[in-house]
Amino acid sequence: DGGITQSPKYLFRKEGQNVTLSCEQNLNHDAMYWYRQDPGQGLRLIYYSQIVNDFQKGDIAEGYSVSREKKESFPLTVTSAQKNPTAFYLCATSGTFYSPLHFGNGTRLTVT
Amino acid sequence: DAKTTQPNSMESNEEEPVHLPCNHSTISGTDYIHWYRQLPSQGPEYVIHGLTSNVNNRMASLAIAEDRKSSTLILHRATLRDAAVYYCILRDVDAGNMLTFGGGTRLMVKP
Repeated sequence: DGGITQSPKYLFRKEGQNVTLSCEQNLNHDAMYWYRQDPGQGLRLIYYSQIVNDFQKGDIAEGYSVSREKKESFPLTVTSAQKNPTAFYLCATSGTFYSPLHFGNGTRLTVT
Repeated sequence: DAKTTQPNSMESNEEEPVHLPCNHSTISGTDYIHWYRQLPSQGPEYVIHGLTSNVNNRMASLAIAEDRKSSTLILHRATLRDAAVYYCILRDVDAGNMLTFGGGTRLMVKP
């Protein structure tokens, strides 16, 4: 069953800790993206990757880091430098950089 | 970046057609018009996209104005499962091709 898996669905962390959100896909898509969504708001792009071992900053990359060592995986680390990390995080993929996006079901991160 | 403007919310009755408008007066020639929808606590779902001509698929139709400064997503028969936030987005394939999501339109469907 092809798709995008984001785990866990809910994540709780203490302030000052780094936390890594997982995104795995078996769609064989080249491009992967991370978005952040705050309550009642639209999505904002954090990072994207068009190909393995390459990634670019989006609109709100400060306080976040990513890696793309494998085509299937694009983990996002929320560092302690991110001032307001509590949000809903969405991973997406597209077959090419020009194809429609497919989204995972998100990870809701709460930092206290 | 070209931006889109959508009403914050709309209401529809079940089994009636719904027309969701989107204004994009600063659209460029290389911007594709994309529509996604998002159910509560889920990731957005692709609905449809187009460049100049009207488009139809199993989910919806997309009507694009001749000057491309506006478009309308048409759900032919709204169901309760169509209640979601609908995002109209411009995707410029010549400028990094990133998708920027605005606030969208919250569609409420009444039985």
